[in-house]
Amino acid sequence: DTGVSQDPRHKITKRGQNVTFRCDPISEHNRLYWYRQTLGQGPEFLTYFQNEAQLEKSRLLSDRFSAERPKGSFSTLEIQRTEQGDSAMYLCASSLATSYNSPLHFGNGTRLTVT
Amino acid sequence: AQTVTQSQPEMSVQEAETVTLSCTYDTSESNYYLFWYKQPPSRQMILVIRQEAYKQQNATENRFSVNFQKAAKSFSLKISDSQLGDTAMYFCALPYGGSQGNLIFGKGTKLSVKP
Repeated sequence: DTGVSQDPRHKITKRGQNVTFRCDPISEHNRLYWYRQTLGQGPEFLTYFQNEAQLEKSRLLSDRFSAERPKGSFSTLEIQRTEQGDSAMYLCASSLATSYNSPLHFGNGTRLTVT
Repeated sequence: AQTVTQSQPEMSVQEAETVTLSCTYDTSESNYYLFWYKQPPSRQMILVIRQEAYKQQNATENRFSVNFQKAAKSFSLKISDSQLGDTAMYFCALPYGGSQGNLIFGKGTKLSVKP
């Protein structure tokens, strides 16, 4: 169990640029989640996958955001035409979907700064 | 609407003493899980403890226990024999509706354990 890894750890970009983040879940985990966390707030749900299927997306998720998990393993989160309000920590988590209460295992996150 | 409220932005406790973090929530679901997650400074978020709503017995995990009051919709976390490594942000979380991926987090309580 090497844990959930996220790349990059930090990303600074200019407003209007596109960015892509990668998440590698724990290998045997079939569920993968993306959350966003801003300073002083708890994580906010963005989307989640079971295997390669995207099962749920937050209604708050702008159409500038897209996530994929093409082979049911790693996932990417892309933000197009970034805005300053996109500055946040983007957290990835994974779990094993054996029961409703499977705990989420989080990565260290990718901190995005939009200038 | 489902909500999670943590009314204590910051707390501090002396090493070896006991501290209780409060959490109240609102949900229309009849059965659900509740979670406490811990986020140490610059480290990944980890599950501390979880409680299934239909179980009357309060969950315990070593020095961590909960006081679950279903009628009052209260879910507090008690940390006994506090240790320096308990210094972290603590988040209470509740699944949104019947979702198995969408957790609603509170704003968190910053706990400082002092030597």
